Amino acid sequence: KQEVTQIPAALSVPEGENLVLNCSFTDSAIYNLQWFRQDPGKGLTSLLLIQSSQREQTSGRLNASLDKSSGRSTLYIAASQPGDSATYLCAVKGYGGSNYKLTFGKGTLLTVNP
Amino acid sequence: GAGVSQSPSNKVTEKGKDVELRCDPISGHTALYWYRQSLGQGLEFLIYFQGNSAPDKSGLPSDRFSAERTGGSVSTLTIQRTQQEDSAVYLCASSFADLGTDTQYFGPGTRLTVL
Repeated sequence: KQEVTQIPAALSVPEGENLVLNCSFTDSAIYNLQWFRQDPGKGLTSLLLIQSSQREQTSGRLNASLDKSSGRSTLYIAASQPGDSATYLCAVKGYGGSNYKLTFGKGTLLTVNP
Repeated sequence: GAGVSQSPSNKVTEKGKDVELRCDPISGHTALYWYRQSLGQGLEFLIYFQGNSAPDKSGLPSDRFSAERTGGSVSTLTIQRTQQEDSAVYLCASSFADLGTDTQYFGPGTRLTVL
């Protein structure tokens, strides 16, 4: 059974800092890995999706990497801003008959202080 | 275009009552998913609908939970005889298909509180 772990559970940084969020998964047989942002009362917003054949994806100040063999992904946020404050979730999609299911980590609560 | 919508946004009910949660997926999306997010827990898969195929109900925690999808569009998640442990945020998502590379788009969720 796939398990996804996110470290740290919470992180507080001053504005302008670069930061890294970590995600690990136990089964490396994945279709893709996705990073989401969750704001209170607003559901989940997809940030980056990395296919299993890719090693990284970039969008603006965000860069996500994937090392499938070691079961790890990182989300790098450059020059953090107070508006980046949210919970960040990592999710993987596996193979097999239920390849539509996403398995989520518990998230990292990020606070960026002005 | 319009995203996934869910109603109500908040629901407070008494233990033992039945509740219905509604999800309107993005137009044209054939796949629809329900997840549950309990306090301090990750999102937990509940049920999956794809077109006219039989739904995957493997994630439903008990037989008090059921869901239907009418006309391949709107879905309703019903919880009968609610218990306090049912308190959670229930999230709905939709996507074009169940391809391994597809992105799921999430609604804002319904926060259910069982007193």
